[in-house]
Amino acid sequence: QVQLQESGPGLVKPSETLSLTCSVSGGSISSYYWSWIRQPPGKGLEWIGYIYYTGSTNYNPSLKSRVTISIDTSKNQFSLKLSSVTAADTAVYYCASVDTAMVAFDFWGQGTLVTVSS
Amino acid sequence: DIQMTQSPSSLSASVGDRVTITCRASQTINNFLHWYQQKPGKAPKLLISGTSSLQSGVPSRFSGSASGTDFTLTISSLQPEDFAAYYCQQSFGTPWTFGQGTKVEIK
Repeated sequence: QVQLQESGPGLVKPSETLSLTCSVSGGSISSYYWSWIRQPPGKGLEWIGYIYYTGSTNYNPSLKSRVTISIDTSKNQFSLKLSSVTAADTAVYYCASVDTAMVAFDFWGQGTLVTVSS
Repeated sequence: DIQMTQSPSSLSASVGDRVTITCRASQTINNFLHWYQQKPGKAPKLLISGTSSLQSGVPSRFSGSASGTDFTLTISSLQPEDFAAYYCQQSFGTPWTFGQGTKVEIK
């Protein structure tokens, strides 16, 4: 079974770039789509975007101008960069795999809280 | 964007109760509707994909159904471990979107 683990700084200053990595184990990253989802404290879930192992991406238009998702198949990792962050970007960030049959998020990382504050 | 309107936002129920949560899509999404359970401090867990396909290991008291653009998650007999938040999510069209969530609390 696929396992995912997010890593990266827990504190980012306003206007800087948030960078997170998701390490995938128990399966090859060269299959599936891979996604990032976030959840502000006490609020609901927001899909950020996905990447296929070929490098093809799709982003939420609400974040598209600030988001980059990339993949490193040699390391079995994919990454998220979110630029020009504000306090509104404070959230738990999850990485997840996307089931190719019904396009659902079937496996999730444990999540990592990123706080935007000076 | 496809809007997912989930109701109720919260409910109180007792162990053994039958619980129903509804999600309405703003347009047709075929069967690309999924349900997740989230417990405090934990990642969401996929319960049901494709409207009604129960994931491996998920108890059979959970079921999903649809009527047009209205989708339903039913818990036939609520158990203590079912007290959690539940979210619907569509993947028919991007951006993929979630319902606002339903918090199931103990009465």
